Amino acid sequence: DQQVKQNSPSLSVQEGRISILNCDYTNSMFDYFLWYKKYPAEGPTFLISISSIKDKNEDGRFTVFLNKSAKHLSLHIVPSQPGDSAVYFCAASGGAGNQFYFGTGTSLTVIP
Amino acid sequence: DADVTQTPRNRITKTGKRIMLECSQTKGHDRMYWYRQDPGLGLRLIYYSFDVKDINKGEISDGYSVSRQAQAKFSLSLESAIPNQTALYFCATSDSGGTPYFGPGTRLTVT
Repeated sequence: DQQVKQNSPSLSVQEGRISILNCDYTNSMFDYFLWYKKYPAEGPTFLISISSIKDKNEDGRFTVFLNKSAKHLSLHIVPSQPGDSAVYFCAASGGAGNQFYFGTGTSLTVIP
Repeated sequence: DADVTQTPRNRITKTGKRIMLECSQTKGHDRMYWYRQDPGLGLRLIYYSFDVKDINKGEISDGYSVSRQAQAKFSLSLESAIPNQTALYFCATSDSGGTPYFGPGTRLTVT
């Protein structure tokens, strides 16, 4: 069973607008969450993280929100830029082993 | 120089052949991981190692084996490659409990 889910395979947004990427998880032991960005022919690049003791973390144009009761996190990109066009993966870890479990990814296209 | 390197970057092989993918890191991290990426399935963990003497199976270890030759080197082997092992393979490293940093990937095609 997929413990981390990204239910939107793709998203298109106009340049300058907000992009919201969503991620759901099922394991209540997860306590550390990550977002990665991936361009074609490159490895995933770490973007931003959040631990379960927080409900928001901000880094420039990127903000991650965590709703523990709903087991849901989201990544907001404001304003969106064409260079943000990539596949975004969320990941979660916690509990024994500290493995990271990844979602299936959301392909973001920012239209100029 | 890249912190996490993978060789080869691309490989085409035939069914039944043995293949080794190599990963080296200069980040000084103890933990190393092998993931594969398939369309629609995201990144799935194959094996991970928390130090040189520690090897653990991930979600999808069947058909794969690994070797941690040194703190900086972690190789993945496909003993007898099959077509459904065609995928992108990523090596990653992290410090204890920390964020994984990924290599550039190896595109493997098994015909």
